[in-house]
Amino acid sequence: LAKTTQPISMDSYEGQEVNITCSHNNIATNDYITWYQQFPSQGPRFIIQGYKTKVTNEVASLFIPADRKSSTLSLPRVSLSDTAVYYCLVGDSPNTGFQKLVFGTGTRLLVSP
Amino acid sequence: GAVVSQHPSRVICKSGTSVKIECRSLDFQATTMFWYRQFPKKSLMLMATSNEGSKATYEQGVEKDKFLINHASLTLSTLTVTSAHPEDSSFYICSARGEPSDQETQYFGPGTRLLVL
Repeated sequence: LAKTTQPISMDSYEGQEVNITCSHNNIATNDYITWYQQFPSQGPRFIIQGYKTKVTNEVASLFIPADRKSSTLSLPRVSLSDTAVYYCLVGDSPNTGFQKLVFGTGTRLLVSP
Repeated sequence: GAVVSQHPSRVICKSGTSVKIECRSLDFQATTMFWYRQFPKKSLMLMATSNEGSKATYEQGVEKDKFLINHASLTLSTLTVTSAHPEDSSFYICSARGEPSDQETQYFGPGTRLLVL
């Protein structure tokens, strides 16, 4: 399973765009990149998933360069409620059966007024 | 998205007793469920993979006789912490795999906080 490296923490202010980068140098050909959000005392919540280039949904964008050795989660105009831990995971493909998820350290995002 | 529930949400027990935690997929069938443990300010640690109708697969370092997992149906997996001790106090989270074509891959439960006195 590919190992991921993220910044331990990030600080931002309300209304700003936040970009969290994750490194996954040994990502496999079939691996997808998935980001989860976790609030204190809650289970992780799916944010976005991608394989290559750019993926956008109603809450975030995911940028993946051609070599796929890193990815960047972009949160537009964050609010106080976006304060959480964000996990980047690789290796769980939606179409090739079960693979276990291995969580890294995550990035603790603090959004201030 | 699909919903996964856990019961109880929190439990306090005395040292030496056993505690059972239930994980249910409410609107889909999950042949595979996963159990995680999370200590304060730490990441989730996978404990075991629970497969319906068969024995669970435990991660290295996780005692299978300590953490009993039963996946008797396609919507229910249980984790029993046997002879609990204070060091077993933690946040236990389950997840269930959705349909193979589902982009969200795994749905997580809300977690169960266990405190062993």
